[in-house]
Amino acid sequence: QQPVQSPQAVILREGEDAVINCSSSKALYSVHWYRQKHGEAPVFLMILLKGGEQKGHDKISASFNEKKQQSSLYLTASQLSYSGTYFCGTRGVTNFGNEKLTFGTGTRLTIIP
Amino acid sequence: DAGVIQSPRHEVTEMGQEVTLRCKPISGHDYLFWYRQTMMRGLELLIYFNNNVPIDDSGMPEDRFSAKMPNASFSTLKIQPSEPRDSAVYFCASSWTGGNSPLHFGNGTRLTVT
Repeated sequence: QQPVQSPQAVILREGEDAVINCSSSKALYSVHWYRQKHGEAPVFLMILLKGGEQKGHDKISASFNEKKQQSSLYLTASQLSYSGTYFCGTRGVTNFGNEKLTFGTGTRLTIIP
Repeated sequence: DAGVIQSPRHEVTEMGQEVTLRCKPISGHDYLFWYRQTMMRGLELLIYFNNNVPIDDSGMPEDRFSAKMPNASFSTLKIQPSEPRDSAVYFCASSWTGGNSPLHFGNGTRLTVT
């Protein structure tokens, strides 16, 4: 039941855009996005709740399509600081207060000058 | 706010030895999670607590693993006896109640079992 992310890895030049997808086999209550730099802990980016929500954070935004049980993370005009591994984390619709957060397989993003 | 504090940062031990990892969550957070991260399996949830009570330990791989939370400010993850396949980075995270609360991670403990 681990959500599947795609692509597994992507290399971009500074200023280019990227999309990272997260798909689940079960109905979702919320989707979290985190970024982890090498040797560090994952850091929270944003949460999306069911209802087709979209959010933005600087030049990083995300959407959540609950019908398709999918979420996408959009990085525009990428900067060197965006490099790292991106994880989605999902919570199911039942017992949302107690539901564990299951992380996806991760997408490694490398930004080159 | 000091954030989630884990200790030790690195642990190297021999197979068969007991290992104890420690975590201090952010004050006021009522959920505490233990995750294990490896290249092969990614971030796996081992166990989580709500108000110091274990809620779901289905991710604990074997009886060799145990976790406790004796009070709101301290948790331990113990492996006894340790095996080389336990080598990984172990993260502790805490959060407020609610499905829309983010997780705050500690810096992790890198465990190497030889």
